[in-house]
Amino acid sequence: QTVVTQEPSFSVSPGGTVTLTCGLSSGSVSTSCYPSWYQQTPGQAPRTLIYSTNTRSSGVPDRFSGSILGNKAALTITGAQADDESDYYCVLYVGSGISVFGGGTKLTVL
Amino acid sequence: EVQVLESGGGLAQPGGSLRLSCAASGFTFSSYAMSWVRQAPGKGLEWVSAISDSGDRTYFADSVKGRFTISRDNSKNTLYLQMHSLRVEDTAVYYCAKFYGRAVAGIDYWGQGTLVTVSS
Repeated sequence: QTVVTQEPSFSVSPGGTVTLTCGLSSGSVSTSCYPSWYQQTPGQAPRTLIYSTNTRSSGVPDRFSGSILGNKAALTITGAQADDESDYYCVLYVGSGISVFGGGTKLTVL
Repeated sequence: EVQVLESGGGLAQPGGSLRLSCAASGFTFSSYAMSWVRQAPGKGLEWVSAISDSGDRTYFADSVKGRFTISRDNSKNTLYLQMHSLRVEDTAVYYCAKFYGRAVAGIDYWGQGTLVTVSS
């Protein structure tokens, strides 16, 4: 069974830069996994930040960027703001029509 | 403006059935693959199912395979999730989601979700 790994929690200072990662329990993440990133605050629907590795969704500021770093997908937030404090989820396409979400990263801005 | 709006959630008994619908607007529905994603209370997101743009290919997570079916009516711009043999662990908010293209990967738009509660 494929497991997608994310840091359970991360902390960043206001104005700072943070990189969240998304890996596979076995193997490397590539663009063929179409890595995507979503932001969610409590009680709200997810909001798409990045899809297909590095395509920003409509209306998403350019301080959010996606990439492949080593064998993982990465979401980098530059100039972190207080309202970036949220849960962040990645999802990877693992083949045969199946996608798997990571467990999410709780980002604290302080 | 792209919109997807779920309906059909509610209370079901264990072993029961429920059908969710998702009405889409603001885009050419028949040109995009679609998906259902769920979130149990206090838990993370879980991919449930996906369907190709034409509806001829469907995919399911192991946790729902054999119990759930996904379908779409491109003439009505509507996506469905038929759920049978419901279990308590199927309790979740179910989100309808649009993929950014014909491939069943890369969600770009989400609905607001509909709550399904399975309880006796």
